[in-house]
Amino acid sequence: EPEVTQTPSHQVTQMGQEVILRCVPISNHLYFYWYRQILGQKVEFLVSFYNNEISEKSEIFDDQFSVERPDGSNFTLKIRSTKLEDSAMYFCASSRQGAQEKLFFGSGTQLSVL
Amino acid sequence: GENVEQHPSTLSVQEGDSAVIKCTYSDSASNYFPWYKQELGKGPQLIIDIRSNVGEKKDQRIAVTLNKTAKHFSLHITETQPEDSAVYFCAASKYGGSQGNLIFGKGTKLSVKP
Repeated sequence: EPEVTQTPSHQVTQMGQEVILRCVPISNHLYFYWYRQILGQKVEFLVSFYNNEISEKSEIFDDQFSVERPDGSNFTLKIRSTKLEDSAMYFCASSRQGAQEKLFFGSGTQLSVL
Repeated sequence: GENVEQHPSTLSVQEGDSAVIKCTYSDSASNYFPWYKQELGKGPQLIIDIRSNVGEKKDQRIAVTLNKTAKHFSLHITETQPEDSAVYFCAASKYGGSQGNLIFGKGTKLSVKP
């Protein structure tokens, strides 16, 4: 089965630093998502992306966050100035026809902000 | 906005027994209810989903039921096996525009003892 791949698997950064989390969605998918999961808590929606623009974002996705699809294969999440509370597992997901069909999730990037 | 509650948070069963996980949702406009299984070190994987025009759906040992009036839905796993041990998440979404983001429950850690 095709897979969503995420890099790196672990990222450690200092508070205030910028981080970029990378994802390669499944090649024929059109909808892309970032979710995050703070340890022991719910998986939370951050943002959805379609047709080269953000289609929906949550309250968590403030001005410190941005997403980009710089080429035909990568989908990135940038956090401009990390805070301690940004420490979480970040999941990228993709689907062919939106969130009302199967989302394929990557294995996640564990972000630790020190 | 939508809120999804999931119970229990942990569930331990003997191999061969059945397991039931229950979720409630708050937004009566939600119309899509997937269940995801997350194994250690991996991203969530869709195992079954149900739409609001259906009351029950079955796939081999897994079934999901939906009660729209009461706004709750449940996952039933019969003849459990050790490989069913994982964290299970319910989610809800409503169709809006071209996507609808998923709102997840907190997860249920299922342990199947041989």
